[in-house]
Amino acid sequence: IAGITQAPTSQILAAGRRMTLRCTQDMRHNAMYWYRQDLGLGLRLIHYSNTAGTTGKGEVPDGYSVSRANTDDFPLTLASAVPSQTSVYFCASSDSVGLAGNEQFFGPGTRLTVL
Amino acid sequence: GEDVEQSLFLSVREGDSSVINCTYTDSSSTYLYWYKQEPGAGLQLLTYIFSNMDMKQDQRLTVLLNKKDKHLSLRIADTQTGDSAIYFCAEIPPTKASKIIFGSGTRLSIRP
Repeated sequence: IAGITQAPTSQILAAGRRMTLRCTQDMRHNAMYWYRQDLGLGLRLIHYSNTAGTTGKGEVPDGYSVSRANTDDFPLTLASAVPSQTSVYFCASSDSVGLAGNEQFFGPGTRLTVL
Repeated sequence: GEDVEQSLFLSVREGDSSVINCTYTDSSSTYLYWYKQEPGAGLQLLTYIFSNMDMKQDQRLTVLLNKKDKHLSLRIADTQTGDSAIYFCAEIPPTKASKIIFGSGTRLSIRP
């Protein structure tokens, strides 16, 4: 089935632990994004990638890192999780970055709780 | 600054029209979007409008754009229980080509 998959669906994590959220798309989209969704704050961009091999910082990058070794995968890593990183994380992809009329396709989300 | 603002909640009676409002700050944005998020799912693009348009209609959906006031609205006619969701207004400011700016979302609930 074409689209974006994320794993895990949900995770409870102890503070200080390292965690990688996985994201894979099979639409051959150039651009990929990671957002976090918090009540009353909407979606905030964490990191993005224009194409494989490049990444950029979004609005709230601190405490997170990403890599884009190939077109399909865009993992998000929390090196040392803190409770403020408790959120729902969405991965998205699009044909390219910043073009007008460009639709972003979203994954189902990962619900992360840091205790 | 960059702020897309929406009210957080809206409750309407089934069969009535729903109107979700949004204000944005970057008047140079050429495209404005409405995304829908159903419970437990990611966002899906519902509709979008070019900045040179005042109105766009697609079946039960009507989008109105007032560029002077930087106001965008989404009207859903004959609201059904399946329309229950969070609706996000979004823009891509030309100066921030790497990202979409989302509003905080409006949770639409339908009462019988």
